Amino acid sequence: DAGVTQSPTHLIKTRGQHVTLRCSPISGHKSVSWYQQVLGQGPQFIFQYYEKEERGRGNFPDRFSARQFPNYSSELNVNALLLGDSALYLCASSYSTGTGLTNSPLHFGNGTRLTVT
Amino acid sequence: AQSVTQLGSHVSVSEGALVLLRCNYSSSVPPYLFWYVQYPNQGLQLLLKYTSAATLVKGINGFEAEFKKSETSFHLTKPSAHMSDAAEYFCAVSSPPAGNMLTFGGGTRLMVKP
Repeated sequence: DAGVTQSPTHLIKTRGQHVTLRCSPISGHKSVSWYQQVLGQGPQFIFQYYEKEERGRGNFPDRFSARQFPNYSSELNVNALLLGDSALYLCASSYSTGTGLTNSPLHFGNGTRLTVT
Repeated sequence: AQSVTQLGSHVSVSEGALVLLRCNYSSSVPPYLFWYVQYPNQGLQLLLKYTSAATLVKGINGFEAEFKKSETSFHLTKPSAHMSDAAEYFCAVSSPPAGNMLTFGGGTRLMVKP
């Protein structure tokens, strides 16, 4: 079975530009979460989506937005890029019921490496 | 609010030696606790999880961790290190009902010497 897939794998953008990152969850998983991992640090929670609805949001500015599609894939959008947005963006899916109750762990993709110059 | 502290950003052991990676957490409610491993240029892979069942949790690749509520700890151990264990290890906590919103520690890089 295919795992969580993310595209693109690498991306270079200039300050002020906009970027869209994409994620396809494991088949049967309805919950998708996004994390930002700055070099040398642990991942930080950005968003969780379940059944196309936002179920959680981390401490990120409004420049960050996301959505989930009927096929449960997801996009993360970042506007007005700053140098500090350079990071590995990780998508994770889980067999969550959406209430947050979980014995179902997160399955992570390999991430998109975003470099802002 | 919840938080995770991993003591030691770098740990070096010899092949065959005991691996001990430390994790302390804080949570206002009974937590779920996780250990993930990250190899270079890859995402995170779940090693093991604690979700209020047995306090000694066995995971993949010979790793295990023990939940100690009195010490608010969830340290990761492996009796005998292999070269292939060299990677970055992350401890994470979540609190029901926000089970999918993990708070990660800063990570510990494990180096294994031949």
